[in-house]
Amino acid sequence: GAGVSQSPSNKVTEKGKDVELRCDPISGHTALYWYRQSLGQGLEFLIYFQGNSAPDKSGLPSDRFSAERTGGSVSTLTIQRTQQEDSAVYLCASSLLSNQPQHFGDGTRLSIL
Amino acid sequence: DQQVKQNSPSLSVQEGRISILNCDYTNSMFDYFLWYKKYPAEGPTFLISISSIKDKNEDGRFTVFLNKSAKHLSLHIVPSQPGDSAVYFCAANSGTYKYIFGTGTRLKVLA
Repeated sequence: GAGVSQSPSNKVTEKGKDVELRCDPISGHTALYWYRQSLGQGLEFLIYFQGNSAPDKSGLPSDRFSAERTGGSVSTLTIQRTQQEDSAVYLCASSLLSNQPQHFGDGTRLSIL
Repeated sequence: DQQVKQNSPSLSVQEGRISILNCDYTNSMFDYFLWYKKYPAEGPTFLISISSIKDKNEDGRFTVFLNKSAKHLSLHIVPSQPGDSAVYFCAANSGTYKYIFGTGTRLKVLA
């Protein structure tokens, strides 16, 4: 497709389980971002990729969160030992260059029971 | 410390009237500002942007105004339409990869 694709669109899991969220950016976009939006909050920056490397991981809330990007394309955000406070919508965005407007996916709504 | 603030969580406007959404920022290094629109269960979509070398940028019904001395920007929608009902986020950038987003304003346009 032409846009940023995220999967799954919804994920419900039990506390303590690991989850993996996937992002397929727009082809050719070198910059990729992960954000989190909790209920009633703005977009919280998590991590930025330029190509396959992540020069800024400063937004990852804890060491339970990790992300990787392979082939300059697909990215995976992994949350280990999920907690209830991890419940949020996780949004992925990509842009051709890092200083250009971002294109967002529709997000993954994560619910931790 | 919230560097980009949208102090109005919600706004209701009659169809055909002007909608004005406001955004304040604290970091004087910000030089590029954007507005995004978000419908429920969808990701934000880019609407309009403005560089700090300008004080106004217009695109159809949407105009963004920037007041650098007041560190304030606003989005005007004229005339407002029911399809404009959404959450609007402003975002700011200081020439790097990082965008700082506000918390959003929910606009409801009443038919």
